[in-house]
Amino acid sequence: GAVVSQHPSRVICKSGTSVKIECRSLDFQATTMFWYRQFPKQSLMLMATSNEGSKATYEQGVEKDKFLINHASLTLSTLTVTSAHPEDSSFYICSASPRGGVAGELFFGEGSRLTVL
Amino acid sequence: DAKTTQPPSMDCAEGRAANLPCNHSTISGNEYVYWYRQIHSQGPQYIIHGLKNNETNEMASLIITEDRKSSTLILPHATLRDTAVYYCIVRFPGGGADGLTFGKGTHLIIQP
Repeated sequence: GAVVSQHPSRVICKSGTSVKIECRSLDFQATTMFWYRQFPKQSLMLMATSNEGSKATYEQGVEKDKFLINHASLTLSTLTVTSAHPEDSSFYICSASPRGGVAGELFFGEGSRLTVL
Repeated sequence: DAKTTQPPSMDCAEGRAANLPCNHSTISGNEYVYWYRQIHSQGPQYIIHGLKNNETNEMASLIITEDRKSSTLILPHATLRDTAVYYCIVRFPGGGADGLTFGKGTHLIIQP
């Protein structure tokens, strides 16, 4: 199946710093990628939709200035958590749909666990 | 997208078939049923999807009732590695342009 890779898988940072997470589709092109957040013992929550070459679309309640998304190419989307605080500690997951692939089928990255001290 | 209802947890003995139910009584005619699973601390994994016919792949089988108001995911010979949270999601295909809405899923525990 299609492979989506995230980096880093784990990151620990100090409060107030910014952290960048990369999401790459390794063997397919993705015009659209999605970013999710998952808190312990909870389900995944969609944060934003990342479109190649255009601005991301954010879900209600997600601060676009805090969670910067860049989708510069058909295989790479980045999520930058700016001025991170302990409450931003979470499991961040990206997903992508192959261009021309099976309708509605999405592939997910391994996730990136962010811990803000 | 139609809402789904799944039992919060299920146990199954290793080597036996695991049957995970999902109710989606408000599903519309063009919505598909998708199943994903999430092993602890990993990203979700696509399992299978279908519209109205039963489907089978190397991972599982999907049985959809004739009225399409419910479905069952079948793992034919469960192993310990199948312990995970299983999500049943109903949505329009949308060509992959829409993100998935995850419910709480079913925590399947495979017992040795």
